[in-house]
Amino acid sequence: GEDVEQSLFLSVREGDSSVINCTYTDSSSTYLYWYKQEPGAGLQLLTYIFSNMDMKQDQRLTVLLNKKDKHLSLRIADTQTGDSAIYFCAANSGGYQKVTFGTGTKLQVIP
Amino acid sequence: NAGVTQTPKFRILKIGQSMTLQCAQDMNHNYMYWYRQDPGMGLKLIYYSVGAGITDKGEVPNGYNVSRSTTEDFPLRLELAAPSQTSVYFCASLGGSGTDTQYFGPGTRLTVL
Repeated sequence: GEDVEQSLFLSVREGDSSVINCTYTDSSSTYLYWYKQEPGAGLQLLTYIFSNMDMKQDQRLTVLLNKKDKHLSLRIADTQTGDSAIYFCAANSGGYQKVTFGTGTKLQVIP
Repeated sequence: NAGVTQTPKFRILKIGQSMTLQCAQDMNHNYMYWYRQDPGMGLKLIYYSVGAGITDKGEVPNGYNVSRSTTEDFPLRLELAAPSQTSVYFCASLGGSGTDTQYFGPGTRLTVL
């Protein structure tokens, strides 16, 4: 089945850009998502990208998709302390039950 | 819309006890899911439902049961609680707007002692 991997931790200074990386294994994945989870809360969808796109920008967020390498990244510009959270990458490899989540990357923003 | 709601927020169970985790959504979504999240791990799918009266097993269904008598509600039942079921449980529903995106509830933190 699909396997989604992320690094566990990232630390950045306030005002810098953050880049969170993700790799997936199933080349038939149609949608790729980024979710944000704040302490004690559920997952909140941040953005998503179709597999036929290679970039999507949404305000401070930029998603890059390299289908050949099965690599997805989330760039957060001008990172703020409120961006501190766990970020999950997820891939939909077909069918409404086949969303696979990564382990999450904990982003720490240092003031 | 309230979105996806879950109750209770926290619960402590003794080994062998049973309980039902409640989940409801008011978005008229057909697809609903139960996940568990263990520390440092991604979400694992327990059960899912594609509509009222239809449920199916996910990746880690053992020790759990579900029912889906209405579109709105998708309760998760633990019959004989075990320490391995200590986790945070998330319910989600999926909207058919073309984006195939899931909406998550706030979670239930369950401890089995």
